[in-house]
Amino acid sequence: AQSVTQLGSHVSVSEGALVLLRCNYSSSVPPYLFWYVQYPNQGLQLLLKYTTGATLVKGINGFEAEFKKSETSFHLTKPSAHMSDAAEYFCAVSVGTSGSRLTFGEGTQLTVNP
Amino acid sequence: DTAVSQTPKYLVTQMGNDKSIKCEQNLGHDTMYWYKQDSKKFLKIMFSYNNKELIINETVPNRFSPKSPDKAHLNLHINSLELGDSAVYFCASSKLPGQGAPGETQYFGPGTRLLVL
Repeated sequence: AQSVTQLGSHVSVSEGALVLLRCNYSSSVPPYLFWYVQYPNQGLQLLLKYTTGATLVKGINGFEAEFKKSETSFHLTKPSAHMSDAAEYFCAVSVGTSGSRLTFGEGTQLTVNP
Repeated sequence: DTAVSQTPKYLVTQMGNDKSIKCEQNLGHDTMYWYKQDSKKFLKIMFSYNNKELIINETVPNRFSPKSPDKAHLNLHINSLELGDSAVYFCASSKLPGQGAPGETQYFGPGTRLLVL
């Protein structure tokens, strides 16, 4: 079975600083990896995903993530944080043997300080 | 032009009652899902339907019964509500039919916040 671990349930950065949200996965087969963002009292919105091909994936709002198979990681980064980035971020994995279900990490709450 | 919509947005009810949550998607997708988000914001899949056929059924109490009248709708009926059912329930949909489409993006609805008193 696949699983996802997000290191750090809360991350706080200053506006303009680098954002780094960590995600490690466990899967016995090639994974498909996703980052979703959830703003307060809203649903989840896809930021980016890795399926196959280029391991550096660019998403919306200036976010990007790099799939590193050797490290089983898919960390999310953004060079310069904006106040509007404050939200809950979820890393998720899906594999072919489990149908199309998403297995989520526990989420990371990002706070951006002025 | 909402892609995935859910009704109601908020649901407050007493223990023991029966309630339903409705989900509709206008994206033309074949696959729909129900996820539960608990008070710690942990998300877990409950059910998945492909073109009205149940394909994922996680370990969920049989008080929860999904129903898909057509591929654009997936409703969730909950019998004999318990305090522990309080959560946010999200509907989602994706294209590509059937299993083995794990790389496809799932589009989420706004959620239904259920509070059982």
